[in-house]
Amino acid sequence: GAGVSQSPRYKVTKRGQDVALRCDPISGHVSLYWYRQALGQGPEFLTYFNYEAQQDKSGLPNDRFSAERPEGSISTLTIQRTEQRDSAMYRCASSATGGNQPQHFGDGTRLSIL
Amino acid sequence: LAKTTQPISMDSYEGQEVNITCSHNNIATNDYITWYQQFPSQGPRFIIQGYKTKVTNEVASLFIPADRKSSTLSLPRVSLSDTAVYYCLVGDEGSGTYKYIFGTGTRLKVLA
Repeated sequence: GAGVSQSPRYKVTKRGQDVALRCDPISGHVSLYWYRQALGQGPEFLTYFNYEAQQDKSGLPNDRFSAERPEGSISTLTIQRTEQRDSAMYRCASSATGGNQPQHFGDGTRLSIL
Repeated sequence: LAKTTQPISMDSYEGQEVNITCSHNNIATNDYITWYQQFPSQGPRFIIQGYKTKVTNEVASLFIPADRKSSTLSLPRVSLSDTAVYYCLVGDEGSGTYKYIFGTGTRLKVLA
């Protein structure tokens, strides 16, 4: 596609439920990144992939968070047993290759946990 | 862990040149310096990237001194639509992988 696409744009769910956030990167992009952004703050790194391999998951807050990219294209960020503190904007970005390459961001998924 | 320091906010008037300086004292040898712009409700958008000296594109210039411990984003003749948050990034190659660390950015407000 023309840009990075994320779905859903908004997700409201009750505490304790599992949620899955989807990212469709720019076609052909090797690297895919997940970030979380709180209001008034810069994006906080969560994890990233080169192709289907998860390269770094040091930013995932705890073991309720996981991500996969099984075919090296679309990625899913899953949060299990959601808590109110998980409420944030979740952003996905992709780049042609890894390293210093510029990242292209999607418009994010706004997650609200009630 | 590479970190950057930027002013929290800046005000300017339409038509003026705006310079935003970022310090990155512990930049690594192979790090590039990258700047992003972010409007409310949108994801960050790539503006410019450089390694040393000066880089110019259709929207901005980036000045990097020889020691690379700082960089300056220059926006010529800003307009109201340039009101946004601007982030300066360098990479972080800790743990053998490469990732970006965003700071809080510089909130630029352009006044009429």
